[in-house]
Amino acid sequence: GQNIDQPTEMTATEGAIVQINCTYQTSGFNGLFWYQQHAGEAPTFLSYNVLDGLEEKGRFSSFLSRSKGYSYLLLKELQMKDSASYLCAVRDQVRDYKLSFGAGTTVTVRA
Amino acid sequence: EAGVAQSPRYKIIEKRQSVAFWCNPISGHATLYWYQQILGQGPKLLIQFQNNGVVDDSQLPKDRFSAERLKGVDSTLKIQPAKLEDSAVYLCASSLGGGGTEAFFGQGTRLTVV
Repeated sequence: GQNIDQPTEMTATEGAIVQINCTYQTSGFNGLFWYQQHAGEAPTFLSYNVLDGLEEKGRFSSFLSRSKGYSYLLLKELQMKDSASYLCAVRDQVRDYKLSFGAGTTVTVRA
Repeated sequence: EAGVAQSPRYKIIEKRQSVAFWCNPISGHATLYWYQQILGQGPKLLIQFQNNGVVDDSQLPKDRFSAERLKGVDSTLKIQPAKLEDSAVYLCASSLGGGGTEAFFGQGTRLTVV
């Protein structure tokens, strides 16, 4: 199966940077996704990595190392609205592109 | 472009009763997912359809849960009979297919079993 691990909680100050790590084990890696989920709302797509390296999208960046089974999501210039749960998800091509999620990391941004 | 539609938004039932949820995916999306998200946890995949065929239902409690996708478009998820531990948000998502296409989520159905 797929084991996806990420920290439970992180707290940071407005304007700061936070890095959320995700480690995974999968039989047929076919991409890693990051989603943002505000309380009581549906997850929304943030980023996708399938090749090693860094993908940058404004204040958010995502990094992938396939050999290490590791990814991180970097949130820069934190704003209060970034307080949310961040979900790491992995797609497995051996298992018909099954998309599995980690438990999520709750980020709290303080003034 | 219309998003993933789900209904109802909220449902409260007593244990041992039955309940059904409905999902209409984004037009043209071949893959449809049903996830269960218990408060404070990540989404857990219950079942994944590719068109109208099931490609993964390994975590679906088949003694009480069932799902179908009619004509490869809309889908329904049923629980019969419900248990207290089924209280959760049931999320439906769809994507164009495999590979690098992201999944788009509906607003979910919040089920409370009392």
